[in-house]
Amino acid sequence: DTAVSQTPKYLVTQMGNDKSIKCEQNLGHDTMYWYKQDSKKFLKIMFSYNNKELIINETVPNRFSPKSPDKAHLNLHINSLELGDSAVYFCASSLFGYEQYFGPGTRLTVT
Amino acid sequence: EDQVTQSPEALRLQEGESSSLNCSYTVSGLRGLFWYRQDPGKGPEFLFTLYSAGEEKEKERLKATLTKKESFLHITAPKPEDSATYLCAVQSYGGSQGNLIFGKGTKLSVKP
Repeated sequence: DTAVSQTPKYLVTQMGNDKSIKCEQNLGHDTMYWYKQDSKKFLKIMFSYNNKELIINETVPNRFSPKSPDKAHLNLHINSLELGDSAVYFCASSLFGYEQYFGPGTRLTVT
Repeated sequence: EDQVTQSPEALRLQEGESSSLNCSYTVSGLRGLFWYRQDPGKGPEFLFTLYSAGEEKEKERLKATLTKKESFLHITAPKPEDSATYLCAVQSYGGSQGNLIFGKGTKLSVKP
């Protein structure tokens, strides 16, 4: 019973390409998030989203865009990939904004 | 600006050697302080939430405590399987949608 799942687990692509990462949660949570973990293992919020509002971290380039087809899914689209986008991306979800449960991560490598 | 500082960055213990990890925080109105465990190649795993100073929570060999400025994660008689990176995060009432601000973590290694 996977609570928060992400696909793919690994993603290798070239600079300039457009890619997507998918996230699904089966916890019945109302809010979903995307985090970026850099090479120094520092975890930083990128977006939070529920069915009412999208909150974007102001430091996130507009090449990144979350898309939510329904409450259980929050996908991350990245346009014109750059070398600096290489990182591990984690999806998470919570109910009423309390403790967050994380997915297994997607390791993105841009060459 | 909300901020979380964890110390030490790395901690090596012998099996059975108890110790504590520190998480100092600055936040404009604490809604909650969270502890997570992260194993290599995996996502953070939720451990505890603390809401107010004086609160304590326990799980197996782990005990988390909270004051107005810091939180401690006490590890009693650790085992090699406790080896992981432990992350502390805060959530403020001003934080939109419950966003967590994470520290950089403490990497714990427990040798048999």
